[in-house]
Amino acid sequence: DTEVTQTPKHLVMGMTNKKSLKCEQHMGHRAMYWYKQKAKKPPELMFVYSYEKLSINESVPSRFSPECPNSSLLNLHLHALQPEDSALYLCASSQDLLGTRIAFFGQGTRLTVV
Amino acid sequence: AQSVTQLDSHVSVSEGTPVLLRCNYSSSYSPSLFWYVQHPNKGLQLLLKYTSAATLVKGINGFEAEFKKSETSFHLTKPSAHMSDAAEYFCVVSDASNTGKLIFGQGTTLQVKP
Repeated sequence: DTEVTQTPKHLVMGMTNKKSLKCEQHMGHRAMYWYKQKAKKPPELMFVYSYEKLSINESVPSRFSPECPNSSLLNLHLHALQPEDSALYLCASSQDLLGTRIAFFGQGTRLTVV
Repeated sequence: AQSVTQLDSHVSVSEGTPVLLRCNYSSSYSPSLFWYVQHPNKGLQLLLKYTSAATLVKGINGFEAEFKKSETSFHLTKPSAHMSDAAEYFCVVSDASNTGKLIFGQGTTLQVKP
């Protein structure tokens, strides 16, 4: 199983809402990632978790709050988002942080903030 | 610091003709290089990777890439384009410090005409 599963696939939320994105993998990977991708652009790294600990936060606004409850699961909690936060949010995982490792990506959550 | 430049933002080919997507990299060490493909509103799928083994790397769906250190290039090729190859392609280099960071090129949109 080389799959990274993200739910939901689509999400529309108001600027005062609180919602969460979920990501799951069962490959035994110990590194997990959140990326944000705007249209016609490459993915931008947001957060990196290694062995369930946050190792990188790319200066992401606090309205995005990541959580890694266990080695298979990664959440992204959203609160008081802005319309410019509308994007495709991608989760990825890799065996660990070594540069030779392959990152496996999920299908993404298409987020629209209204 | 590592960087990646994809030399063409848009490539258009006819079905059945060869595909060439160009990528140059900059790295102070022996890099790990990847090509990913992204179909519309989908996640990223790995096509192939180079990690200092054979310089000619074969990937999925008939794609291959050649690592040329002297030219700092990692161009992606396919002998015969198929309509299903129409997608966005990203050339990626991994961060030298094993942080899990990936450095993406800006992407090349491949159009395949019937």
